[in-house]
Amino acid sequence: AQSVTQLDSQVPVFEEAPVELRCNYSSSVSVYLFWYVQYPNQGLQLLLKYLSGSTLVKGINGFEAEFNKSQTSFHLRKPSVHISDTAEYFCAVSPALGGGFKTIFGAGTRLFVKA
Amino acid sequence: DSGVTQTPKHLITATGQRVTLRCSPRSGDLSVYWYQQSLDQGLQFLIQYYNGEERAKGNILERFSAQQFPDLHSELNLSSLELGDSALYFCASSVEQGRTDTQYFGPGTRLTVL
Repeated sequence: AQSVTQLDSQVPVFEEAPVELRCNYSSSVSVYLFWYVQYPNQGLQLLLKYLSGSTLVKGINGFEAEFNKSQTSFHLRKPSVHISDTAEYFCAVSPALGGGFKTIFGAGTRLFVKA
Repeated sequence: DSGVTQTPKHLITATGQRVTLRCSPRSGDLSVYWYQQSLDQGLQFLIQYYNGEERAKGNILERFSAQQFPDLHSELNLSSLELGDSALYFCASSVEQGRTDTQYFGPGTRLTVL
């Protein structure tokens, strides 16, 4: 079975500062990893995903994430945040093997960007 | 706008009742997924349909059922509703049925059970 832990429930940061949202996962098999963003009163939107290959993944809106297999982490980063990045961010993991759809989501991290 | 539509946006009902939530996927998408998002349990995958057939089941209660119709729209039926069923229900769609596919989420239906 897989599990996902988002280490921070809330992250306040000033505009134009860098930010890192942390995600650790647990799995006995290879995994695919995802980051989603949920703006207020909206559905989720995929930011980026790691399937294989380069461990540094670039996504939309200037976000990137690095897959670290030894530390079982997939932290999301942005070098300079904007007010509009205020949202909830979800890390998700899906086993790369086996049948059926089995994506597990973390509890979410609320990013609050202050002026 | 993801292209996925859900109706209604809000639904208020009483315990013991039955409701139907509707989802229209993006044009060309064959897979539909249903999720429940609540404060207690976070975001949970409920069920997936691909081209009219059930493909995967997650944490879906026996009181809940879903189907995907020939025109690919999907309905989630919730019966014998309990207070704990109050949540935001999302539908998502993707072109294919794999775990690597990008899912596009609708705006959700907020269900309140009183």
